[in-house]
Amino acid sequence: QQQVKQSPQSLIVQKGGISIINCAYENTAFDYFPWYQQFPGKGPALLIAIRPDVSEKKEGRFTISFNKSAKQFSLHIMDSQPGDSATYFCAAVSGSARQLTFGSGTQLTVLP
Amino acid sequence: ETGVTQSPTHLIKTRGQQVTLRCSSQSGHNTVSWYQQALGQGPQFIFQYYREEENGRGNFPPRFSGLQFPNYSSELNVNALELDDSALYLCASSHPGGSENGYTFGSGTRLTVV
Repeated sequence: QQQVKQSPQSLIVQKGGISIINCAYENTAFDYFPWYQQFPGKGPALLIAIRPDVSEKKEGRFTISFNKSAKQFSLHIMDSQPGDSATYFCAAVSGSARQLTFGSGTQLTVLP
Repeated sequence: ETGVTQSPTHLIKTRGQQVTLRCSSQSGHNTVSWYQQALGQGPQFIFQYYREEENGRGNFPPRFSGLQFPNYSSELNVNALELDDSALYLCASSHPGGSENGYTFGSGTRLTVV
């Protein structure tokens, strides 16, 4: 059962453009929503995260928008750069172990 | 401050065999979680250890087991390997409270079962 659905599977953006990745969740027990960036041969690294009582969080070029009623959240990467080319995972946190439930990932390619 | 170190980086095993993967936590982190990442998929939570006790488990069979040692390093053991166990196995360490304080992931062990 895929509890966090992520789209698109792949995304190609020109340098300087905006990259948008969307996620939707079903489990209302989720209470924290991080985004991770993963480069080939590396583990995921925390990029930015949001709590459900906040509708938007911005850190540099990265912004999370959160819609609690729709159970959807998205990552916007402004002024996308070739160095942003990586796989991005949305995730949701629940449980006493605060375990991460990941989406299936979006492979972002930023063309120079 | 060192990050999370996993060993080995790559491993090939035969179906039915047993495997042990190892993880050294980031300095100061006392919670360790293991995730399985199949090719082209997001990581899936296997289990977490805190103070040498299992602190949560995902939807994985009992042949997946683990240990955490007093120095907070950890092992993941998988018995009776199946072809579907082929994946990248990721270890993540954190302070208590998990993701809010930031999980630090290792680069993983790539396990291939043939």
